[in-house]
Amino acid sequence: DIQMTQSPSSLSASVGDRVIITCRASQSISSYVNWYQQTPGKAPKLLIYAASILQSGVPSRFSGSGSGTHFTLTISSVQPDDFATYYCQQNYRNPLSFGQGTKLDIK
Amino acid sequence: QVRLVQSGAEVKKPGSSVKVSCKTSGDTFTSYSVSWVRQAPGQGLEWMGGITPILDRTDYAQKFRGRITVSADESSSTAYMELSNLRSEDTAMYYCARGSGIRINDAFDMWGQGTSVTVSS
Repeated sequence: DIQMTQSPSSLSASVGDRVIITCRASQSISSYVNWYQQTPGKAPKLLIYAASILQSGVPSRFSGSGSGTHFTLTISSVQPDDFATYYCQQNYRNPLSFGQGTKLDIK
Repeated sequence: QVRLVQSGAEVKKPGSSVKVSCKTSGDTFTSYSVSWVRQAPGQGLEWMGGITPILDRTDYAQKFRGRITVSADESSSTAYMELSNLRSEDTAMYYCARGSGIRINDAFDMWGQGTSVTVSS
C-alpha cells in the first residue's frame, strides 16, 4: 500500500501569510495527488486534483505542485476561511490513501 | 445543482450490520463512480471502497474485504455501503464521495453530508 506523509501536522499563521504544506508518497505516484480542505463538522472539499489543477470555484490563492514522491499545497495569502484541516490523497493505485492531515489555525 | 444526500445517523450493537445510503441528484448517476470514506472521531480520512455503477464494478480496501459491500441502484440514483460484524472501532462518520469520472480512483469532487455510525453495547 502507498503511504502518504504530510508535514507539518499543524501550523499557525496570520491572515495574509504564505503557507506551504508538504506531502510525501512512499513510492513514485506520478501526479496522482489531490488536495482536500475540511472544516469542523463538514465534509471535505476538493481543492486541487492531478497535483496542480485547480478545481472549479476554488480561489486562485491555492496552488499545488510536485510529481513523483514530493508534493506541495501553497496558499499564497491566507484568508479567514482558510483556517481548516488539509489532506493530500493519492489516487495512483488502490487502496486510495490520505495523508494524516495538516491543521492550519490562527496565530 | 449536484447533491449527495446520505441517510441518517445509526446506533448499532457490536456484531450487527449497518447499511448507509447516498442518493445523488442533479446529474447522471451512471457517469460517475461513488466511493465511501470514513473518519473516526478526531482522526483522518480512510477510503473503504467504491463502485462504478455503469460497469457494476467494485473495489475495496483490503482492510474491509469480507465485511463491506458497496452497491448501487441506478433506478433511484442511490449508492449503498453495508458494513457487517461491527465493532467499537467502526464508530465514525461515513461519507459517500463522487468521483469526477467513472473510475473508482478519480478525484472526489462532491461529497455527501456524512452519516454518523456509533457502535456500542
